[in-house]
Amino acid sequence: GQQVMQIPQYQHVQEGEDFTTYCNSSTTLSNIQWYKQRPGGHPVFLIQLVKSGEVKKQKRLTFQFGEAKKNSSLHITATQTTDVGTYFCSNNAGNMLTFGGGTRLMVKP
Amino acid sequence: NAGVTQTPKFQVLKTGQSMTLQCAQDMNHEYMSWYRQDPGMGLRLIHYSVGAGITDQGEVPNGYNVSRSTTEDFPLRLLSAAPSQTSVYFCASSPQGAAAGELFFGEGSRLTVL
Repeated sequence: GQQVMQIPQYQHVQEGEDFTTYCNSSTTLSNIQWYKQRPGGHPVFLIQLVKSGEVKKQKRLTFQFGEAKKNSSLHITATQTTDVGTYFCSNNAGNMLTFGGGTRLMVKP
Repeated sequence: NAGVTQTPKFQVLKTGQSMTLQCAQDMNHEYMSWYRQDPGMGLRLIHYSVGAGITDQGEVPNGYNVSRSTTEDFPLRLLSAAPSQTSVYFCASSPQGAAAGELFFGEGSRLTVL
């Protein structure tokens, strides 16, 4: 897979604040996936984006794929303590699916 | 429906020992893969398989062997463990291969090499 970089590495927010994590690539991506891993748990698939400029929503989560297909973002509106965890983006090239370094979200109640 | 099952959940080895991490899935998925997760480094692909009898190397294959004799099982072997292999290992499977993007992960195996 093509290398994807995630920022920020860590983010502390107050409960109720918004949160955004970004996934960037120097090359055009065929697709991008987002996963969530709760502390001590395993990654769980959230969504896949394929089309240029695509926007998908899941309740308070909004996922975007850039027009140039070189970046993506995950935005959480009004964070809750249940949003705590590490969010990973990934992409595949052929049969290899590789992951970014993740953004660890911590929410203060 | 058990999904992806990994054993053992925890293991402590001494340098130079060998062991096998087991992974089994009951979803009839053709694609299976192994990742290791180290603090601050995300998930790195070790080996993957697109079907029984077919395996290939990922990003960090050195020190690990795999085989895929059945659709259900994809064991990961450490022939001579090293402290650098201390990590959490995740097995994952997919019904449509990596192109579909949706991997189903096991709960992980935490390995410590002394």
